[in-house]
Amino acid sequence: DAGVIQSPRHEVTEMGQEVTLRCKPISGHNSLFWYRQTMMRGLELLIYFNNNVPIDDSGMPEDRFSAKMPNASFSTLKIQPSEPRDSAVYFCASSRSGSSYNEQFFGPGTRLTVL
Amino acid sequence: AQTVTQSQPEMSVQEAETVTLSCTYDTSESDYYLFWYKQPPSRQMILVIRQEAYKQQNATENRFSVNFQKAAKSFSLKISDSQLGDAAMYFCAYRRLGNEKLTFGTGTRLTIIP
Repeated sequence: DAGVIQSPRHEVTEMGQEVTLRCKPISGHNSLFWYRQTMMRGLELLIYFNNNVPIDDSGMPEDRFSAKMPNASFSTLKIQPSEPRDSAVYFCASSRSGSSYNEQFFGPGTRLTVL
Repeated sequence: AQTVTQSQPEMSVQEAETVTLSCTYDTSESDYYLFWYKQPPSRQMILVIRQEAYKQQNATENRFSVNFQKAAKSFSLKISDSQLGDAAMYFCAYRRLGNEKLTFGTGTRLTIIP
């Protein structure tokens, strides 16, 4: 199994630019999660999908952030316009809901730097 | 709201010794899951061990074991025979039964001294 795939691994952009982070969950998993990790706030859940439907987006910081899951094998997290305070590592994770622990498997993360 | 507290920002242990990382949580639920994740310098989050709240027996995975005290809402991780590869950030996490949302603690950075 390839695991959760995220791209790009690193992204450097300038303030005001649009940023799109991509995630491919593990095949057969039907839940997908986007997390943000910063020194100040630790690991925060931004949004999660179940069967491609957003279930909880209460962690999305503001309207500049949006996430989509057009099909079971792909999701995007978009920031428009980006700001320096968005600099963080963004993780995608997936799980198979209904399994005993619903264990979440994490991707390698995308390190975003907004200048 | 559920909260997870890791009161030790940093810990260090001599190689081959035993170390215990602390975690406490706050919840009004009776059924839930607890997890310890490891994040090495590669930044990949790796599940180390997990515990179901209704199980009284403490979970064990090779050199990793937990001390789960439900009444005290405590979930500590014990690493025996510490190895250099154990050096990482360790995160405690909570998930309520029937909800997929994980709540993480702030993490403990573990250093292994050769």
